[in-house]
Amino acid sequence: SYVLTQPPSVSVAPGQTARITCGGNDIGSKSVHWYQQKPGQAPVLVVYDDSDRPSGIPERLSGSNSGKTATLTISRVEAGDEADYYCQVWDSSSDHVVFGGGTKLTVL
Amino acid sequence: EVQLVESGGGLVKPGGSLRLSCAASGFTFSSYSMNWVRQAPGKGLEWVSSISSGTSYIYYADSVRGRFTISRDNAKNSLYLQMNSLRPEDTAVYYCARPTDSRYDFWGQGTQVTVSS
Repeated sequence: SYVLTQPPSVSVAPGQTARITCGGNDIGSKSVHWYQQKPGQAPVLVVYDDSDRPSGIPERLSGSNSGKTATLTISRVEAGDEADYYCQVWDSSSDHVVFGGGTKLTVL
Repeated sequence: EVQLVESGGGLVKPGGSLRLSCAASGFTFSSYSMNWVRQAPGKGLEWVSSISSGTSYIYYADSVRGRFTISRDNAKNSLYLQMNSLRPEDTAVYYCARPTDSRYDFWGQGTQVTVSS
């Protein structure tokens, strides 16, 4: 089965740039989606199809995807960005949805 | 406004059964496939099951296949998850989620399922 690998945690100071990676075999050929989840809340879609943003998501959040790694980049990090972030793809070989293990972003 | 409201969670003993429901509104329910996604305490998101708009295509995660059954009633704008032979490792918040293409653009607030003796 397809596996997505994320670092368990990323820490960054306010105003700096956070990069959260999502690794998978030939992930560059798939559409990657990213979700933000704050404690006690349902996940929220923040980036879809590698680099598109839903309405209402600030431009500070951006995505890229190439080769074996997809990346969610959060520029000018704010305290309110502190959350868990999950990458997700659809595995066409199994018709299953796959999530990465999640990354906890801590704003120092 | 799209709304997904789950219900039916609770405390059940190992080996027991529960039926979760998800009431949908604010969109043409019969035009969308629907999914269940769960999250165990302190853990990540896990896809559970998918059902196509017309119920022709149904898929399950290996961890629940043979024990869980997904279904829908398009006339009632409702999604269901029948969970049998429940195990402690099924303890989680269960979310109803609407996919557009392969992404989840709307989620419910979740319903807690606890499997414990």
